[in-house]
Amino acid sequence: GENVEQHPSTLSVQEGDSAVIKCTYSDSASNYFPWYKQELGKRPQLIIDIRSNVGEKKDQRIAVTLNKTAKHFSLHITETQPEDSAVYFCAASEHGNQFYFGTGTSLTVIP
Amino acid sequence: DTEVTQTPKHLVMGMTNKKSLKCEQHMGHRAMYWYKQKAKKPPELMFVYSYEKLSINESVPSRFSPECPNSSLLNLHLHALQPEDSALYLCASSQVQGANNEQFFGPGTRLTVL
Repeated sequence: GENVEQHPSTLSVQEGDSAVIKCTYSDSASNYFPWYKQELGKRPQLIIDIRSNVGEKKDQRIAVTLNKTAKHFSLHITETQPEDSAVYFCAASEHGNQFYFGTGTSLTVIP
Repeated sequence: DTEVTQTPKHLVMGMTNKKSLKCEQHMGHRAMYWYKQKAKKPPELMFVYSYEKLSINESVPSRFSPECPNSSLLNLHLHALQPEDSALYLCASSQVQGANNEQFFGPGTRLTVL
């Protein structure tokens, strides 16, 4: 089955700085890569996703890049704000059948 | 309505109890999922229902029994649980299984087994 690794496990940045979280996957058949944000005690919420026919996708301060050859994808958050503090999970899926989650990154934005 | 709801929010049960978790969505989604999430860990897939039929069972112990009575409802029946089953149980739904659609998560039921 698919194996998704995520780094770093914790990340602290100053408000206004950028944050980068990286994931690698093992199954070359995976073609859908969502990112979820989970605040303490709340549900995971999709913040951005990318499909394998696209190399980069951006939504305001959030961007995701995908390198299919190297089997890795990254989440970039620019101009971080305290409300960005949360746990972020990457995931990989083959045609949306099953979602394999990374181990999570706890992001803290220091005001 | 673009929300997945779950009841109860919290549940405390003994190892001999029988209880049920409920999940509901009115988005017309035909795929529904149960996940288990331990603290500071990612969600772990338990079951997937596609068009009200069990599609995936991730080798979950039989003390967890899922049920999909109709396209809007998903239940998880619990019996003879162990303390290590204490976790956040998340329900999710998507338009269909197998089409790279966004999964919408419910708020979860925090289960404590004494």
